[in-house]
Amino acid sequence: AQKVTQAQTEISVVEKEDVTLDCVYETRDTTYYLFWYKQPPSGELVFLIRRNSFDEQNEISGRYSWNFQKSTSSFNFTITASQVVDSAVYFCALSEVTTDSWGKLQFGAGTQVVVTP
Amino acid sequence: EAQVTQNPRYLITVTGKKLTVTCSQNMNHEYMSWYRQDPGLGLRQIYYSMNVEVTDKGDVPEGYKVSRKEKRNFPLILESPSPNQTSLYFCASSRTGLPHEQYFGPGTRLTVT
Repeated sequence: AQKVTQAQTEISVVEKEDVTLDCVYETRDTTYYLFWYKQPPSGELVFLIRRNSFDEQNEISGRYSWNFQKSTSSFNFTITASQVVDSAVYFCALSEVTTDSWGKLQFGAGTQVVVTP
Repeated sequence: EAQVTQNPRYLITVTGKKLTVTCSQNMNHEYMSWYRQDPGLGLRQIYYSMNVEVTDKGDVPEGYKVSRKEKRNFPLILESPSPNQTSLYFCASSRTGLPHEQYFGPGTRLTVT
């Protein structure tokens, strides 16, 4: 069963617009980790953030911010004042901390962000 | 430079011809993993290894083998490739313990005809 859902397949914005990427996850564990990765057109995967289930503080890093809400099982990602260099596929991922799941990392299908000048 | 390397980067092969994709990391990471990326499906984990001689199945292990004889290397073996294994493959490594961010290799584009 899909444990990480990124319902938005593609989002197109004009430069300087804000864009929010949704990530909804499913787990029965009380301890888990969530991640966001970026895959630019060149193809490599770049780590953006890791968040554990006990830390619900929102985080901001430059133009990037993340909103973690356990109540709705969501870990959304916002790019403020988007730039053309933000064009990429963004993946949300979940790692559960149980004996059976230890070491497994499950990704969502990804959201393609297209930023036009 | 800390990195994960994969070889080859591109490979076209025929059904049934055994192949190996190598993966090596220079960060002394205990954990290594293989993923395949397919359109609309994101990345799916094939196999992972928590340390030398310790490997385990991910979500899509059928048709693949791995081995971990040395800490730095984690080759992916396709004994009898089939067209449905045409995909983009990524190797990754990280520290062990709590789930940490993974460092990914550049990817291997495999086409099986």
